[in-house]
Amino acid sequence: KQEVTQIPAALSVPEGENLVLNCSFTDSAIYNLQWFRQDPGKGLTSLLLIQSSQREQTSGRLNASLDKSSGRSTLYIAASQPGDSATYLCAVYTGANSKLTFGKGITLSVRP
Amino acid sequence: DAGVTQSPTHLIKTRGQQVTLRCSPKSGHDTVSWYQQALGQGPQFIFQYYEEEERQRGNFPDRFSGHQFPNYSSELNVNALLLGDSALYLCASSLGGRSPLHFGNGTRLTVT
Repeated sequence: KQEVTQIPAALSVPEGENLVLNCSFTDSAIYNLQWFRQDPGKGLTSLLLIQSSQREQTSGRLNASLDKSSGRSTLYIAASQPGDSATYLCAVYTGANSKLTFGKGITLSVRP
Repeated sequence: DAGVTQSPTHLIKTRGQQVTLRCSPKSGHDTVSWYQQALGQGPQFIFQYYEEEERQRGNFPDRFSGHQFPNYSSELNVNALLLGDSALYLCASSLGGRSPLHFGNGTRLTVT
């Protein structure tokens, strides 16, 4: 059974700091990994998707990396801004399953 | 281009009642997945519909049922509501089973 872990549960940083959010998964037979952003009481917005054959993806100030063999992914946010404050979730498709398995998310607060 | 739309946005029900939640997928998408997100948790997969049939199901009791219509829209029905069913219910659409998911803003269900 796939399990996805995100630690810590919450993070507070000053504006302008570069930061890394971590995600780990137990079953390395993943199809792809996605990072999502969720604002309070809202749905999920897809940020980046990494296929199992890829090592990283970049979009603007965001960079996501994937190390399938060690069961880890990181989301790097450069020059953080207060508008980046949200919960960040990672999720994986595993094997033949058509369901995403999510972590509990990391709630990020960027202080002005 | 309309994204995934869900209705209603908020709902309050009494224990033992039944509820129906609705979802219209993003234009061009043929697959609808439903997730339950309890407060402070990551979304949990309920089931996925494709070609009007339930293709995969998560670990949820039979009180949770669904339907997909010929226009790809979908309903989630929950019978005999329990207090523990209080959550944000998220609908996601995709083109195929493991392609990137697009989420709606969810329906917040409160069971009293």
